Amino acid sequence: ILNVEQSPQSLHVQEGDSTNFTCSFPSSNFYALHWYRWETAKSPEALFVMTLNGDEKKKGRISATLNTKEGYSYLYIKGSQPEDSATYLCASYTGRRALTFGSGTRLQVQP
Amino acid sequence: DSGVTQTPKHLITATGQRVTLRCSPRSGDLSVYWYQQSLDQGLQFLIQYYNGEERAKGNILERFSAQQFPDLHSELNLSSLELGDSALYFCASSVEAGGPYVEQYFGPGTRLTVT
Repeated sequence: ILNVEQSPQSLHVQEGDSTNFTCSFPSSNFYALHWYRWETAKSPEALFVMTLNGDEKKKGRISATLNTKEGYSYLYIKGSQPEDSATYLCASYTGRRALTFGSGTRLQVQP
Repeated sequence: DSGVTQTPKHLITATGQRVTLRCSPRSGDLSVYWYQQSLDQGLQFLIQYYNGEERAKGNILERFSAQQFPDLHSELNLSSLELGDSALYFCASSVEAGGPYVEQYFGPGTRLTVT
């Protein structure tokens, strides 16, 4: 993996469904993995910063795991609500002192 | 509201023109980052300033330049504009100089349309 890749590109779920999506990143020279939540017409907002292999972070119904050896992170949303509708971005911190972002997963939760 | 402000919200201009985008970081933040979000692309890092000095540089075109002023606000100057420069330009800020664990706080963005 040379770049940060996210899948799926978009996702439609029903209210109450649990869902998850993937961020893949270069595993060599890994420093940290950031997750952001970006609602339409608003600013991207930081969710998690993850650094250690096996790390698991949780904020309410949203949680994330990290596997630095194989270069992936999962974001889980339990019992999705319409207000969870947003684009979820992940970004890997590179040795070039910058965040490299994926293209995002756009989640739409239908009431 | 992240506390980061950007002006203008929208900008429409013609090819060949020059524009300036402005960003005011959160109170107390010393770092400012600029990103470009084009259609179907992820946020692309352009450049970072820390306390007035350039700290990191990404894929910023030579036609683009930025600076951070003593009051810590920053401006991104885009010149000889092309259709492909149409994008959403975000500014973000942080207290620290940067680093793997530093959270960045994003502004609402400036949508630039080049016609």
